[in-house]
Amino acid sequence: AQSVTQPDIHITVSEGASLELRCNYSYGATPYLFWYVQSPGQGLQLLLKYFSGDTLVQGIKGFEAEFKRSQSSFNLRKPSVHWSDAAEYFCAVKDYGQNFVFGPGTRLSVLP
Amino acid sequence: DAGVIQSPRHEVTEMGQEVTLRCKPISGHDYLFWYRQTMMRGLELLIYFNNNVPIDDSGMPEDRFSAKMPNASFSTLKIQPSEPRDSAVYFCASTSRDRATEAFFGQGTRLTVV
Repeated sequence: AQSVTQPDIHITVSEGASLELRCNYSYGATPYLFWYVQSPGQGLQLLLKYFSGDTLVQGIKGFEAEFKRSQSSFNLRKPSVHWSDAAEYFCAVKDYGQNFVFGPGTRLSVLP
Repeated sequence: DAGVIQSPRHEVTEMGQEVTLRCKPISGHDYLFWYRQTMMRGLELLIYFNNNVPIDDSGMPEDRFSAKMPNASFSTLKIQPSEPRDSAVYFCASTSRDRATEAFFGQGTRLTVV
């Protein structure tokens, strides 16, 4: 069965520092991968997605992610974090049944 | 499109009462999902529908939970009777049959059972 792991439950970075959130998936076929962000009291908002082509994908709010098939990873990055980026981040894979499998999430705190 | 619309945004009810959560998916989407989010268990898939037909309800906690989708533009999640451990945020999401389409989430319903 497909699964998504996010090894880091909570990450704290200083404002202006770079960020990398890790995501590993287990899926037998070509994965369709997504990163979402959830601010407190809000629903999940799509940051970016990958399904083919260039393995480095750009998203909203200055985020990018790189797909590495050999490592079964889809890590999210941002070169300079802003205080408003403090939120919960979820990685997900979509299977052939159109179901989404979500990781447990990584909570990001940003220090001023 | 206004996106996925859920109602109510907040619900406070007494233990033993019936609770009905509502969802309107994005027009043209074939799939609808109900999720529950808690601090302890994270985001859990309860059930999902394809073309109004339930495909996988293995995540529904117990018989107290039921979900219906009478037409392509409306779904309900009902809890009867409700219990304090049902307190959570319930999200509805929809997507299309195109695998490249993401799940679009509603704002959620925060349910508190006292």
